[in-house]
Amino acid sequence: KAGVTQTPRYLIKTRGQQVTLSCSPISGHRSVSWYQQTPGQGLQFLFEYFSETQRNKGNFPGRFSGRQFSNSRSEMNVSTLELGDSALYLCASRRGELSTGELFFGEGSRLTVL
Amino acid sequence: DAKTTQPPSMDCAEGRAANLPCNHSTISGNEYVYWYRQIHSQGPQYIIHGLKNNETNEMASLIITEDRKSSTLILPHATLRDTAVYYCIRPWAGNMLTFGGGTRLMVKP
Repeated sequence: KAGVTQTPRYLIKTRGQQVTLSCSPISGHRSVSWYQQTPGQGLQFLFEYFSETQRNKGNFPGRFSGRQFSNSRSEMNVSTLELGDSALYLCASRRGELSTGELFFGEGSRLTVL
Repeated sequence: DAKTTQPPSMDCAEGRAANLPCNHSTISGNEYVYWYRQIHSQGPQYIIHGLKNNETNEMASLIITEDRKSSTLILPHATLRDTAVYYCIRPWAGNMLTFGGGTRLMVKP
């Protein structure tokens, strides 16, 4: 069974650009959530999608957005990149909406903003 | 408040039990406690979760106090590959997880 797949794994952008990250959840999982990890702030929740609807959103500016497609794949977008957006962006999936089970994480997309 | 409190770091000798404490004094009666770990440069990995009874799986045991204000994750025979950051987490907004600073466990030979 394939795990959570994130692409690209590494990317470098410059300030002011925008970036799109992709996440393919485990087959059959309908919930996808995104996290940002930085050395200073740790792992912070960005947003969660279930059945193409955003269910929860963390405390991030509107430059951070996401969406989920009918096949449960998800993308997140960061516009007008800032240096502080350099981070590891992690995607996680779970089977159901209200499951108390585990989150399965991908290996992350490491974004460097110059 | 969905915060938990964990010591920032701990050491453990290889082959010995690693006991990682977590304080969640404001937890409500129907909130689960989850444990994840993150090995360097990898995504977090689920370990175990529990509500009020002690739980055990192939990776670890989870001991939850009777008042549910704290819990302990036990790795019975720590190996060098268990060196990681361990997160004790409570759900946020009903279902999502907020990660705190975690405990950096160093298993030493």
